[in-house]
Amino acid sequence: DAKTTQPPSMDCAEGRAANLPCNHSTISGNEYVYWYRQIHSQGPQYIIHGLKNNETNEMASLIITEDRKSSTLILPHATLRDTAVYYCIVRVASNSGYALNFGKGTSLLVTP
Amino acid sequence: KAGVTQTPRYLIKTRGQQVTLSCSPISGHRSVSWYQQTPGQGLQFLFEYFSETQRNKGNFPGRFSGRQFSNSRSEMNVSTLELGDSALYLCASSLGGLYNEQFFGPGTRLTVL
Repeated sequence: DAKTTQPPSMDCAEGRAANLPCNHSTISGNEYVYWYRQIHSQGPQYIIHGLKNNETNEMASLIITEDRKSSTLILPHATLRDTAVYYCIVRVASNSGYALNFGKGTSLLVTP
Repeated sequence: KAGVTQTPRYLIKTRGQQVTLSCSPISGHRSVSWYQQTPGQGLQFLFEYFSETQRNKGNFPGRFSGRQFSNSRSEMNVSTLELGDSALYLCASSLGGLYNEQFFGPGTRLTVL
């Protein structure tokens, strides 16, 4: 089953780029990588997802390595409101079908 | 469009009781997923319903069950509550399922005493 590994915490200065890494070395060829974030006391919020190519939207960029074993979520100009827990997720087989297990994610602190 | 709503927002139960949580998805969304969030285990997938059928299920015991109605509203039931069931229970809705963008509700905070 594909699993993800993320650092438990990271800091970033306001206005700088935040680069959040994720290792998913056992991902299979047709599985997407998803990123969500959870701001304190709120439900998670979708950010972006990708398969092979790099992806960009209004919130972030997702860089996936050529071997697809790792990816990096980039917040180009972090603001204080980006302080949150960031989850990197892949699909895993479960007792019945599949699951998206978010794990514990990376707690990003953006400082003034 | 109204977001995902969950009721109740807070709940206190005692061991051995059962509880039912409710989730109303965004209008037009046919998929509803449920998650349990605890400090120790993080955010874990419980199950997903799509058009009244359970389509995917995580590795939770049979005490955790759910259902979905024809209007896509979903309920989750936990029987014989244990202290370890204390958690934030989140539901999420999407148009097509787990692999589409999921929109989360604010959660129900369950405390088991």
